Order: sequence, then structure tokens, then C-alpha cells
Amino acid sequence: KAGVTQTPRYLIKTRGQQVTLSCSPISGHRSVSWYQQTPGQGLQFLFEYFSETQRNKGNFPGRFSGRQFSNSRSEMNVSTLELGDSALYLCASSEGQGAYSPLHFGNGTRLTVT
Amino acid sequence: AQKVTQAQTEISVVEKEDVTLDCVYETRDTTYYLFWYKQPPSGELVFLIRRNSFDEQNEISGRYSWNFQKSTSSFNFTITASQVVDSAVYFCALSEAPQGGSEKLVFGKGTKLTVNP
Repeated sequence: KAGVTQTPRYLIKTRGQQVTLSCSPISGHRSVSWYQQTPGQGLQFLFEYFSETQRNKGNFPGRFSGRQFSNSRSEMNVSTLELGDSALYLCASSEGQGAYSPLHFGNGTRLTVT
Repeated sequence: AQKVTQAQTEISVVEKEDVTLDCVYETRDTTYYLFWYKQPPSGELVFLIRRNSFDEQNEISGRYSWNFQKSTSSFNFTITASQVVDSAVYFCALSEAPQGGSEKLVFGKGTKLTVNP
């Protein structure tokens, strides 16, 4: 099976712009989660979707949003970018719902905000 | 609130040495899951092991072993006879199992392991 695919791998944006990141989960996986990784804060949970419904959201401002499509693919959007949004954004998929299934991560999208 | 502490920020060893990565967690829930992930330089987090709160059996998988002790809220990871390919950042993570479930993991800050030839 193909793994979790994230596009693009790298992005450079300017403050105030908006960005959309894409994630294709492993075939058959219906749950998709997003995490932000920074040197200072480490790995932080953004949100999680299952069957197109957001089931949980982390402590991030409303500028961070996401959605999941009927084919389980997911996108996350960050509007009005700030310098502090520079990070590695990781998407993960899992087979089932609940906190039982291991997460399978993609390689991430490295976002740099200048 | 959930919390995972990996006190060792960086560890450097010489190949073939054994190394233990420490993980201490805090949770008020009685049902929870603990995980270890490995992040090589490529950036992808790789799942290594999952342990639920009711299973305190230690586990060995090849050169890897895990010691889960609820009494001390610890879930330590040992690599025996380390190899250069083991160089990576290792994360311990905690997931509670609230009603309805949610795929939310709380990660420790990670331990960067460097294995020198």
C-alpha cells in the first residue's frame, strides 16, 4: 500500500498570505489528523477528521482550518500567515476511530513564512 | 492534563552500545495508550510500538525492548547493540481514550539519538 502522501513538500509564503496543504491517507484509512512541529513547541495536535467530520481540534487560532473529502483526502488551510506559523506540518492517517489505532505519518510539508 | 516528559534531549553513543530512552507520562484517565515513534532526518514519523494501560508486559522486538511500569508512570525504550541507522529523534506519546474516541496524541519533546561508528 502507498503511504500517506503530503503535498507540497516545501512552501515559502509571505506574512499575510494564505496557504493550503494537502494530504492523501493510506487507502482504506478514514481518519486523518494534522500536527504542527516546531523546534520550540514540538509536536502539537491541530485537528482530526473521520468520515468528513472534525472530531477534535487542538489549541490553535481560527486561522487554522481543515476539511476532509468523501475519499478521505484532507486539506488544511492557514489564513493570514504569521512568522510563527513556520513549521513542519505532518498529516497522519489511521484505520479506525478512537485512540487505539497507530498513526501513520506522511513526510510533512515544510512551511516557511517570511 | 496529559503530559509526556522525555528528560533526555540528546544522547550520543558509540555503535554497539546499549541505550535507554526515558519517558514519563501524566494522565488522570485509567484507559490510555502509549506509543513510541521514530523520526529519521527525512521527517516522517515511524510508528514503533503501542501499549495500552492494561498491559504491563514488557515487549521485545529484535534489538528493541520496552519497559512499561504503571507504578512509576514510565514507558522506557531500550535499543540493544545500537547501530548508526538508529540515529533519529525518538518520541514518546500518550493518547487517552475518551468516549467517542479521538486520534489525539500528546507527544514528548523527543530525544535525539546519535549513534557514532
